[in-house]
Amino acid sequence: DSGVTQTPKHLITATGQRVTLRCSPRSGDLSVYWYQQSLDQGLQFLIQYYNGEERAKGNILERFSAQQFPDLHSELNLSSLELGDSALYFCASSPTGASNQPQHFGDGTRLSIL
Amino acid sequence: DAKTTQPNSMESNEEEPVHLPCNHSTISGTDYIHWYRQLPSQGPEYVIHGLTSNVNNRMASLAIAEDRKSSTLILHRATLRDAAVYYCIYISSGSARQLTFGSGTQLTVLP
Repeated sequence: DSGVTQTPKHLITATGQRVTLRCSPRSGDLSVYWYQQSLDQGLQFLIQYYNGEERAKGNILERFSAQQFPDLHSELNLSSLELGDSALYFCASSPTGASNQPQHFGDGTRLSIL
Repeated sequence: DAKTTQPNSMESNEEEPVHLPCNHSTISGTDYIHWYRQLPSQGPEYVIHGLTSNVNNRMASLAIAEDRKSSTLILHRATLRDAAVYYCIYISSGSARQLTFGSGTQLTVLP
């Protein structure tokens, strides 16, 4: 058990819809990362938050947004969903986001777009 | 992007040591080397990380070359549960410290 909790585990929805994925980091961790894993692109970094502030952006589409709340949980919002958005979405956390700290991953949310 | 090179796949027999190589020729002096693994249907799992000297923990050992352009993850006695994709990553010490995953090495452990 990594201590990172992601909900829901599975989401099935249709094209054009909007969904919200939730992540609770490990106790004490201030930094949260979101990653997307698809069959053709592998694991890709989307965005990082540290103590409520956006710290880094990766290959995140404009239709996607995220935030980190005062209690440090984070949400990833995906809108105008397309078939290609079907993927596993992972959240990870680390204490401060320093490069010498491991990231601990949740079990992911599997998003299926029909 | 931080680029590493790993073999696509490796096989090992159960109970034997496994040496998983990684090349990271563009690494900088302050970049940490991290290893993660991903078991089927699970999220990536942290294995070990290091900067210059060799590192050991309960899961594995990390041997880092003197010039830091390559490293080797050592599983001392492979078990069937070690079958996974192993990712070698180095994290640049700039402001963006996200993990840049390559394609990794698929480790198969034979009984």
